[in-house]
Amino acid sequence: EDQVTQSPEALRLQEGESSSLNCSYTVSGLRGLFWYRQDPGKGPEFLFTLYSAGEEKEKERLKATLTKKESFLHITAPKPEDSATYLCAVRTNDYKLSFGAGTTVTVRA
Amino acid sequence: NAGVTQTPKFQVLKTGQSMTLQCAQDMNHEYMSWYRQDPGMGLRLIHYSVGAGITDQGEVPNGYNVSRSTTEDFPLRLLSAAPSQTSVYFCASRPIQNTGELFFGEGSRLTVL
Repeated sequence: EDQVTQSPEALRLQEGESSSLNCSYTVSGLRGLFWYRQDPGKGPEFLFTLYSAGEEKEKERLKATLTKKESFLHITAPKPEDSATYLCAVRTNDYKLSFGAGTTVTVRA
Repeated sequence: NAGVTQTPKFQVLKTGQSMTLQCAQDMNHEYMSWYRQDPGMGLRLIHYSVGAGITDQGEVPNGYNVSRSTTEDFPLRLLSAAPSQTSVYFCASRPIQNTGELFFGEGSRLTVL
């Protein structure tokens, strides 16, 4: 059974304090790893797709990386507007995504 | 361009009642899906559809029915609501050839008493 585990569950940061979120996965055949951002009371919003080990993607203060067993979402010099829940998901066939429970990030000014 | 629209945003039901959560998208996406989100758990796939007239079960389909009569609409039906179905429900869509990014609605919060 595919498993996606995100850590930590919650992360409190001071503005400007860089940190990383972890997404570890156990799947039978990875066909893509996805990061989403979810604001309170809203639906998830797509951030990145990673397909192979060693791949990296960047968007503003966010950088996602992928290894054979896990992915990291690095937040560099975060701002309060980066506060959100970050979700990781893996795809093993064409039609289904398996999501982790998410990491809730709070950035204090 | 409205994207994915879900109604209602909030609903309270009594055990045994039935209801339908509506989902509509205006992006001409072939693939549509329903997820539920519960505290401490990841989004779990309930049902999905790859086109009008085609539906299939996801990870947690029991207690839910779906149909897809048009490309735009994908309603989720609860025939006899149970407290275990208290959750936030999300509808999501994407083009069939793009197996990456999902476009999500804003969610429907359902409470079953």
